[in-house]
Amino acid sequence: DAGITQSPRHKVTETGTPVTLRCHQTENHRYMYWYRQDPGHGLRLIHYSYGVKDTDKGEVSDGYSVSRSKTEDFLLTLESATSSQTSVYFCATRDVLGVRDQPQHFGDGTRLSIL
Amino acid sequence: DQQVKQNSPSLSVQEGRISILNCDYTNSMFDYFLWYKKYPAEGPTFLISISSIKDKNEDGRFTVFLNKSAKHLSLHIVPSQPGDSAVYFCAASGRGSQGNLIFGKGTKLSVKP
Repeated sequence: DAGITQSPRHKVTETGTPVTLRCHQTENHRYMYWYRQDPGHGLRLIHYSYGVKDTDKGEVSDGYSVSRSKTEDFLLTLESATSSQTSVYFCATRDVLGVRDQPQHFGDGTRLSIL
Repeated sequence: DQQVKQNSPSLSVQEGRISILNCDYTNSMFDYFLWYKKYPAEGPTFLISISSIKDKNEDGRFTVFLNKSAKHLSLHIVPSQPGDSAVYFCAASGRGSQGNLIFGKGTKLSVKP
């Protein structure tokens, strides 16, 4: 959807290791978002970006950092992974088109397990 | 505190009948509402949206109704098909939020042949 590719699709790692997830889009959308989805919760916003080098925190940003050095790529980094960060991570993008009300479009997710 | 609530975790409907999924919100600043459909191992797919200046929006078999006074919206699927079986998420965003979405926990719809 909207040319969004998340990599890797699956990852298993150990507590304390750094992890970087990548989101790549081909639609030149200005906004990009990272969410996590856990059982019993809907999707919760981690961080978002409103342009190259412009990022801000979401609802559950503790333990995560992001970077956006070019329009098409948005990276999510767990500096020192913990078991509570085991989750499915979704990237989304949104176009602006001069009006605010545009839907977000999602990638297919990364399933991250931290042992 | 949940700002977007989907109080029914699951719903089962017979093929050909109407499916009605409900969503309540608490934040009066929300002015844009969306429904997403999600299949297992895939990302959410945008289905339909409604702005707070409207009370109804229709797209084929899908209609979303918004009742601002009750802070309630619903998604109607008519007729329901087995391929509609999925988890449906309600989401909302408000003025000044950079388009950030607040999601409900989802309702799992099962459409039985």
